[in-house]
Amino acid sequence: ELKVEQNPLFLSMQEGKNYTIYCNYSTTSDRLYWYRQDPGKSLESLFVLLSNGAVKQEGRLMASLDTKARLSTLHITAAVHDLSATYFCAVDRSFGNKLVFGAGTILRVKS
Amino acid sequence: GAVVSQHPSWVICKSGTSVKIECRSLDFQATTMFWYRQFPKQSLMLMATSNEGSKATYEQGVEKDKFLINHASLTLSTLTVTSAHPEDSSFYICSAESPSSYGYTFGSGTRLTVV
Repeated sequence: ELKVEQNPLFLSMQEGKNYTIYCNYSTTSDRLYWYRQDPGKSLESLFVLLSNGAVKQEGRLMASLDTKARLSTLHITAAVHDLSATYFCAVDRSFGNKLVFGAGTILRVKS
Repeated sequence: GAVVSQHPSWVICKSGTSVKIECRSLDFQATTMFWYRQFPKQSLMLMATSNEGSKATYEQGVEKDKFLINHASLTLSTLTVTSAHPEDSSFYICSAESPSSYGYTFGSGTRLTVV
């Protein structure tokens, strides 16, 4: 059974600081995704990582994938208050396009 | 492109009544759609996979008679919560695989409150 673990589950940061959210998954998978969710809202797609060594960046967020270690990271650079949200990683199951989500990381950026 | 429209955004219903939630792919055809449920401060849990023209595939522990899924066309899937009870109150989200990228597009979600 595919399992996805995220840590930390809660992250309180000061503006301007850097930090990394980690996402581990248990079995071989084709694709890894990062999503953002604001309170009361649905999911917004941030990154899709398709291959080992993939790195994608958008603004202050950068995601990477190491398929050998079954690990993805979401790095936050010089955090700003607008980044406060819940971040989820998700992985396709090996057979069938069904997403399995991590527990989510609640990020609070303090001014 | 690849927009999924979901409505209603929120609904309040009385115990024992049924509620239908619609999920439409606006600019693409979706042979498969997914229905998730999310409790406050928790992650998304897949309820079922909706397949156009065939029966939905339910995840273990999801009552198929309570959560009826109909995927009658390539652009519309519906989730009907039958005989709703307060414990069915939750945030329901649909999604479809985006044809333009290697990812999924999510609907805006439906907040169901059963009183």
